[in-house]
Amino acid sequence: GENVEQHPSTLSVQEGDSAVIKCTYSDSASNYFPWYKQELGKRPQLIIDIRSNVGEKKDQRIAVTLNKTAKHFSLHITETQPEDSAVYFCAAWGPNDYKLSFGAGTTVTVRA
Amino acid sequence: DARVTQTPRHKVTEMGQEVTMRCQPILGHNTVFWYRQTMMQGLELLAYFRNRAPLDDSGMPKDRFSAEMPDATLATLKIQPSEPRDSAVYFCASGTGLNYGYTFGSGTRLTVV
Repeated sequence: GENVEQHPSTLSVQEGDSAVIKCTYSDSASNYFPWYKQELGKRPQLIIDIRSNVGEKKDQRIAVTLNKTAKHFSLHITETQPEDSAVYFCAAWGPNDYKLSFGAGTTVTVRA
Repeated sequence: DARVTQTPRHKVTEMGQEVTMRCQPILGHNTVFWYRQTMMQGLELLAYFRNRAPLDDSGMPKDRFSAEMPDATLATLKIQPSEPRDSAVYFCASGTGLNYGYTFGSGTRLTVV
């Protein structure tokens, strides 16, 4: 099955700065890569996703980039705000799977 | 917004008791997943179903956990007997199929004392 690694495990940024989380995947045939945000005490929620036929996707202050050759994808958060503090999970859908494979998560803390 | 509904939201039980958690997937979703999360750690996949058929339950301790989907609107996760190490948040999620993100329920926070 697909194996996803996520770095860093924790990230502290000053409000207004950018945050970047990186994930690598093992199966070059994987073709769907969502990102989930989980606030404290809440459920994980899908915030953005990208498919293998696209290199970059943006939604307001968040963007995801995909490098298929290197088998990695990244989440970029610009102009961070306190409400961006959460755990972020990347995931990948392997070609022979009926499920997402999740990374271990990144705890992002935005300092005021 | 369509929601995945989980009940109960919170459960405190004594060691050795049976615990049943329920999940109502989003209407039309044909894939249902059970995850466990401890202290804001990662998401541990316990079991999942596609079109009500169990696809994989290798993540579950078989001696005490069981997962079923008696109909398309209900998935259950049972623990019998429960142990303190089972204390965690159990999430149900549902999806429409391959290569699409799925929606998580609000979770059941289980405490076994």
